Amino acid sequence: GAVVSQHPSWVICKSGTSVKIECRSLDFQATTMFWYRQFPKQSLMLMATSNEGSKATYEQGVEKDKFLINHASLTLSTLTVTSAHPEDSSFYICSASGTSGRRGEQFFGPGTRLTVL
Amino acid sequence: KNQVEQSPQSLIILEGKNCTLQCNYTVSPFSNLRWYKQDTGRGPVSLTIMTFSENTKSNGRYTATLDADTKQSSLHITASQLSDSASYICVVSAETGTYKYIFGTGTRLKVLA
Repeated sequence: GAVVSQHPSWVICKSGTSVKIECRSLDFQATTMFWYRQFPKQSLMLMATSNEGSKATYEQGVEKDKFLINHASLTLSTLTVTSAHPEDSSFYICSASGTSGRRGEQFFGPGTRLTVL
Repeated sequence: KNQVEQSPQSLIILEGKNCTLQCNYTVSPFSNLRWYKQDTGRGPVSLTIMTFSENTKSNGRYTATLDADTKQSSLHITASQLSDSASYICVVSAETGTYKYIFGTGTRLKVLA
């Protein structure tokens, strides 16, 4: 149990376009979802936290107008990178917390590799 | 400031050998400590979780220890295999309303044949 999926697993796009990444909890309800970004040889950096039905809370330094997060249901959250630029190229990982595991336990997705040309 | 530091930053060992990874943290109020394994290009996978009252937890060839007094943890890998090559991340959870995870810098382990 407690499986989190992400789609797509990798995406290549042109500079200036927008990219949407989906995060799904497959066998539990995710009341909270987290979005992380990871650069090569670095650890995960939290970008934002979203609770189902509420606006996301962004970490300091993360542009909310550039990284749009929607958490409209208990099993799906999306991250849209708007007007992507090469510096947005990174590995994006989501995690979900809710009705599975210990209180507050996060289950991680497999990640999405974004490359902006 | 809540921080989690890991050492060494990277490690190379021969297949079959044992190794120990270290994690020091300054997180308050402490809730629990997890060790994750992250293969290249994949999401983290949980290995162990320990609360304040637990000082050791095993998962196959992985054994984690926790000293809540000194705020240190270690992950011991026994009889390493090539598939153990990965990043190992120590994550401490603070006892706050959001149970935010505080990530360590990670240790990159390479096991050679």
